[in-house]
Amino acid sequence: DADVTQTPRNRITKTGKRIMLECSQTKGHDRMYWYRQDPGLGLRLIYYSFDVKDINKGEISDGYSVSRQAQAKFSLSLESAIPNQTALYFCATSDPLAGYTQYFGPGTRLTVL
Amino acid sequence: AQSVTQLGSHVSVSEGALVLLRCNYSSSVPPYLFWYVQYPNQGLQLLLKYTTGATLVKGINGFEAEFKKSETSFHLTKPSAHMSDAAEYFCAVTSYGNNRLAFGKGNQVVVIP
Repeated sequence: DADVTQTPRNRITKTGKRIMLECSQTKGHDRMYWYRQDPGLGLRLIYYSFDVKDINKGEISDGYSVSRQAQAKFSLSLESAIPNQTALYFCATSDPLAGYTQYFGPGTRLTVL
Repeated sequence: AQSVTQLGSHVSVSEGALVLLRCNYSSSVPPYLFWYVQYPNQGLQLLLKYTTGATLVKGINGFEAEFKKSETSFHLTKPSAHMSDAAEYFCAVTSYGNNRLAFGKGNQVVVIP
C-alpha cells in the first residue's frame, strides 16, 4: 500500500463550488504539505503543517484553506473554486530526522470549469 | 530566501547519450539539495540528495549529482540515457531547520530513439 494517498485522483468541478482534497499518510511523519503544480512553474507551496495544532501559509495560500484532522490526515479546501485553480495538487510528508526528504502522494488533478 | 534555477524547460537527449540537467541554487546558509523525478501521472520520487559529506552523490537508476559550493551548483548526470528516463526532473533546496523545499521549474526530458 502507498505511504501517502490522495483522494480524489481526478475531479472536475464548476466555478463557485466548494471542493475538498484529502491526504492520508501511514509514514508516521508529523510534517505535511500541500503543493500546486502548474506547467512551467514547478511546485509551489500552498500550506504546511508541523503538527495538528501548527498550520502555516505557504507562498500561494489565497483562495485555499486547510485542516489537519489528525497526524495522518491533512485536507485542502477550495471554498469557492475558480478556473485559475485548475492544476495538479500534491500532498507530501517529511521527517526532519530523516534528512528533510519529502515524500509525495500521487496527486489530484483538479479542473475548474 | 532560498531558490533554485533550472534552465531549459525541455531537454532532448538521444538514447545512449549523456543526460545533463543543470541546477544552480541560491542560499545564504549551507544547503540541502535534492533531485526529484516525476513520471507521467505519478507523484514526485526522490532520485538523490545532498546534505553533508561526500559531494558526489549517487542515486537511483544510474543518476548522480555533484555539489559544487564554489559554483553554487548541483547538476544531475547519467552517462547513458534510456527510454525509461523520459520524465520531468526537479531540483530543490532547503537547509537545516527550514524544512520548506524551494523547487525549480523543472526539466522535461525527452529521450529520442
